[in-house]
Amino acid sequence: AQRVTQPEKLLSVFKGAPVELKCNYSYSGSPELFWYVQYSRQRLQLLLRHISRESIKGFTADLNKGETSFHLKKPFAQEEDSAMYYCALWGYQKVTFGTGTKLQVIP
Amino acid sequence: SAVISQKPSRDICQRGTSLTIQCQVDSQVTMMFWYRQQPGQSLTLIATANQGSEATYESGFVIDKFPISRPNLTFSTLTVSNMSPEDSSIYLCSVEGFLTGELFFGEGSRLTVL
Repeated sequence: AQRVTQPEKLLSVFKGAPVELKCNYSYSGSPELFWYVQYSRQRLQLLLRHISRESIKGFTADLNKGETSFHLKKPFAQEEDSAMYYCALWGYQKVTFGTGTKLQVIP
Repeated sequence: SAVISQKPSRDICQRGTSLTIQCQVDSQVTMMFWYRQQPGQSLTLIATANQGSEATYESGFVIDKFPISRPNLTFSTLTVSNMSPEDSSIYLCSVEGFLTGELFFGEGSRLTVL
């Protein structure tokens, strides 16, 4: 079975501070991992995926197979980053989501 | 990318009734996914709907409670049968991008059962 764990329900940071949203996974094969974001009153959308190794809106995430982690990071938080963030794993022909972390950026 | 339309966007229903949620995609897709997001919780996969075959249900979800139709490659319906207050949730339709693994979501159908 596959599992995704996001230990923090809420993360509050000040504008300009670094952000790290934690994600750990459990999967027997080679995982494909994603971060999805849901801004207020908008639908859930892809933020980034580990395969592309790109930075989106200043966010990056590195897959650490040894620690089975895929933490999302941004060096300087912006107010517009406030949203719900979901870590997700694609495996066995389905996507499993973590419980989500609400990021609150304080002005 | 894929554009997904869901109807209804929200509804208030009485206990014991059934409601059908429609999902329309602007392109042909092989698999469509139905998720449930209960208040304060994450997305839980209900079932995968393939055109021309029976839907595949996840553990804890059964066809009698959540019958699914997939008449063609752009449309699917999810029915929530014999509803109880515990079925109050947001129901989301989703499709996978071609060869990308990315999921595209509808805006969701917010269901309240009294």
